[in-house]
Amino acid sequence: GESVGLHLPTLSVQEGDNSIINCAYSNSASDYFIWYKQESGKGPQFIIDIRSNMDKRQGQRVTVLLNKTVKHLSLQIAATQPGDSAVYFCAEILFHGSSNTGKLIFGQGTTLQVKP
Amino acid sequence: DGGITQSPKYLFRKEGQNVTLSCEQNLNHDAMYWYRQDPGQGLRLIYYSQIVNDFQKGDIAEGYSVSREKKESFPLTVTSAQKNPTAFYLCASSKGRERRTDTQYFGPGTRLTVL
Repeated sequence: GESVGLHLPTLSVQEGDNSIINCAYSNSASDYFIWYKQESGKGPQFIIDIRSNMDKRQGQRVTVLLNKTVKHLSLQIAATQPGDSAVYFCAEILFHGSSNTGKLIFGQGTTLQVKP
Repeated sequence: DGGITQSPKYLFRKEGQNVTLSCEQNLNHDAMYWYRQDPGQGLRLIYYSQIVNDFQKGDIAEGYSVSREKKESFPLTVTSAQKNPTAFYLCASSKGRERRTDTQYFGPGTRLTVL
């Protein structure tokens, strides 16, 4: 089916530690994946993206890894800070047949809690 | 939130009333989208528009209506036919034009509560 899910609903880490948030997707035909961060009461904020022809992409303090063999996506946050506390969603873009519009499919989200 | 604005931030409605949520973008994006988010859940697509004067139903369009008369604006009307309208509504936009790596950027959201 079409679904993008996350392994853990909640992840608690100590400030300064590295965080790893995982996501499993089901559609091997997806071309593009995005990680979003959503703080309470706000809209999702784009963090980083990766195309299906890549295995790894780095941003500022964040790295996304894509393993197409097992259809797994992860977001690594280095030196996690209290401001990183939020819900993190992975999403994939799926094109249906002849449709020219990519449908963004979101997972349920992982809540990251950073302990001071 | 970039150049996407939504208003109002909080909206209260009595049962049986229609309400319209505003979404405006100044990013010169062709495509715009409406999502609904329920507590602890991911986002579900209501309607989307790839170009002015055209829009398509998403996964949960029943009880909602939209219009796209201007490139910058994509208002969503929640009608009385929507059985459970209390939710957080998010508007998004993207460059569109059939790009396979088309990133969607979101507005701040409108929280609708039906009394």
